[in-house]
Amino acid sequence: AQKVTQAQTEISVVEKEDVTLDCVYETRDTTYYLFWYKQPPSGELVFLIRRNSFDEQNEISGRYSWNFQKSTSSFNFTITASQVVDSAVYFCALSEVSGNTGKLIFGQGTTLQVKP
Amino acid sequence: KAGVTQTPRYLIKTRGQQVTLSCSPISGHRSVSWYQQTPGQGLQFLFEYFSETQRNKGNFPGRFSGRQFSNSRSEMNVSTLELGDSALYLCASSLGSSSAFYEQYFGPGTRLTVT
Repeated sequence: AQKVTQAQTEISVVEKEDVTLDCVYETRDTTYYLFWYKQPPSGELVFLIRRNSFDEQNEISGRYSWNFQKSTSSFNFTITASQVVDSAVYFCALSEVSGNTGKLIFGQGTTLQVKP
Repeated sequence: KAGVTQTPRYLIKTRGQQVTLSCSPISGHRSVSWYQQTPGQGLQFLFEYFSETQRNKGNFPGRFSGRQFSNSRSEMNVSTLELGDSALYLCASSLGSSSAFYEQYFGPGTRLTVT
């Protein structure tokens, strides 16, 4: 069965430090999608990135970057020069596909606290 | 464009009662998914609707049900409430046909407390 593991429950850093959030997944599907979502204290999850299993190219968006490695089944997320506003819970998610539909399997989340 | 809205935002119910939660997706979005979030179990998929049809269902008892209307608005119902149903219920909409393939936009959630 599909599974997503975010081994880091909580991470605390000081502003301007770089931080990497780990995500390891398990799937037997050859085609799948991986996502990262951010949940700030307000509660609404915010979409950050989607990656399909055939695209291993790393991506950078401002201070955010993602490293997708199929060989290790990992999809790690790095925040460079962290800011207090980055404090949130971050979820990694994997699609479980069934025909032309499916559902998302979320990891347990990593709570990131960025201190000023 | 207005985001996903959920009503009510907070709800307190007693064991044995039933509850209906409402979700209005972003205009033009036809796929709506529901999730339950608890400290112990995390984020768990409840069900997904697309064009008024339930496309997928999570591993929840039959007390949890939902529906989608022709305007894409969705409701979920929980009957015979149990203490363990206390949770944040999140609704999300997507422009695509399934949340498994496309980015989702989440609402602020409904915080349900069962006493």
